[in-house]
Amino acid sequence: GDSVTQTEGLVTLTEGLPVMLNCTYQSTYSPFLFWYVQHLNEAPKLLLKSFTDNKRPEHQGFHATLHKSSSSFHLQKSSAQLSDSALYYCALIYQGGSAKLIFGEGTKLTVSS
Amino acid sequence: AQTIHQWPVAEIKAVGSPLSLGCTIKGKSSPNLYWYWQATGGTLQQLFYSITVGQVESVVQLNLSASRPKDDQFILSTEKLLLSHSGFYLCAWSLQGNTEVFFGKGTRLTVV
Repeated sequence: GDSVTQTEGLVTLTEGLPVMLNCTYQSTYSPFLFWYVQHLNEAPKLLLKSFTDNKRPEHQGFHATLHKSSSSFHLQKSSAQLSDSALYYCALIYQGGSAKLIFGEGTKLTVSS
Repeated sequence: AQTIHQWPVAEIKAVGSPLSLGCTIKGKSSPNLYWYWQATGGTLQQLFYSITVGQVESVVQLNLSASRPKDDQFILSTEKLLLSHSGFYLCAWSLQGNTEVFFGKGTRLTVV
């Protein structure tokens, strides 16, 4: 079936170090991929969305590249900030298919000084 | 501008009591609507989605039901709460054509 896998449940980093959160997916059809960020006691908010034309989306210093060959959409940032501490979800939805939005298990990122 | 409103913000309910959570979306016609549940410290689990009035698809029921009585309204309910129903309930919407999903601010439910 269709699924999203985030292999790291918890990532702890020191401020200034690079961030990479893994996301791989399985899908019958070509999906849109998303990264959502959820801060404590808040609703998830969209961070990034994949493009259909292989452009690399960027927002708040984060970027991700959709690699169809490896079914991956890893989230990266060159330098972590304290304010990046949050829960990060990778998600997929079909292009033109059902309304089912599938989330990964989430990765909790903790950035310390 | 479109807005999504969830009510109540928080609830403390007794085991065995009924529950009704609501969600209203203004500013968009015929949105896709979703209910998500998040246990404390857990991931987002899609419960239900609806692409049109009167039609609701169940993803994971958890002894809950959902209805869409109007185009802009989505209701989550149960007649008998369980302790395991505690958590954070999120309503969300997207446009037809599967684009970005927007979340409401959520309802924090504690079952005691």
